[in-house]
Amino acid sequence: DAKTTQPTSMDCAEGRAANLPCNHSTISGNEYVYWYRQIHSQGPQYIIHGLKNNETNEMASLIITEDRKSSTLILPHATLRDTAVYYCIVSLGQNFVFGPGTRLSVLP
Amino acid sequence: DVKVTQSSRYLVKRTGEKVFLECVQDMDHENMFWYRQDPGLGLRLIYFSYDVKMKEKGDIPEGYSVSREKKERFSLILESASTNQTSMYLCASSLWDRGAPHGEKLFFGSGTQLSVL
Repeated sequence: DAKTTQPTSMDCAEGRAANLPCNHSTISGNEYVYWYRQIHSQGPQYIIHGLKNNETNEMASLIITEDRKSSTLILPHATLRDTAVYYCIVSLGQNFVFGPGTRLSVLP
Repeated sequence: DVKVTQSSRYLVKRTGEKVFLECVQDMDHENMFWYRQDPGLGLRLIYFSYDVKMKEKGDIPEGYSVSREKKERFSLILESASTNQTSMYLCASSLWDRGAPHGEKLFFGSGTQLSVL
């Protein structure tokens, strides 16, 4: 599975969009990009995944660059409850390797 | 609602004890996983299973074994607990969709914080 690089931490004002970047320059053609988040003292929670097209669901949007070497998770209107560690994972879907992720702090 | 249940939220054991961590999922998922999570190291895969009685080693299987006698239950066993196995243990499951080669998303339990004294 390809490796990902994310910033260690980010801040975002409540009500604003949170844009979390992820680099995955060694991604292979059939690997998907997955995003999970982990709120303190809970297990990780699935957010969204995609192959090459942009994806949107009720939680977030996923923008994948045309060369697929990077992606951005967008939380359109961040709330205090979105404060968590966000993991970007590249995978074929059967094995998921979690890196350190990005610690997002949503500030009032 | 989908559910992965881990038997204990907190567990304290002594060095040398045999420890069983139990995980049950009610989603009829084929795949089940055990991770441990330590500060600064993220989640690391210990073992996983694609079907009943099948198991595969993850990245850090040493000191652990697993058992999957029924589809819904995946047990992690510490044969002789040591202090360096103090950690948060997370169980997860996913559905293997043969029609979707990217597989399916993971569902996690709430975790078991194990302290080995």
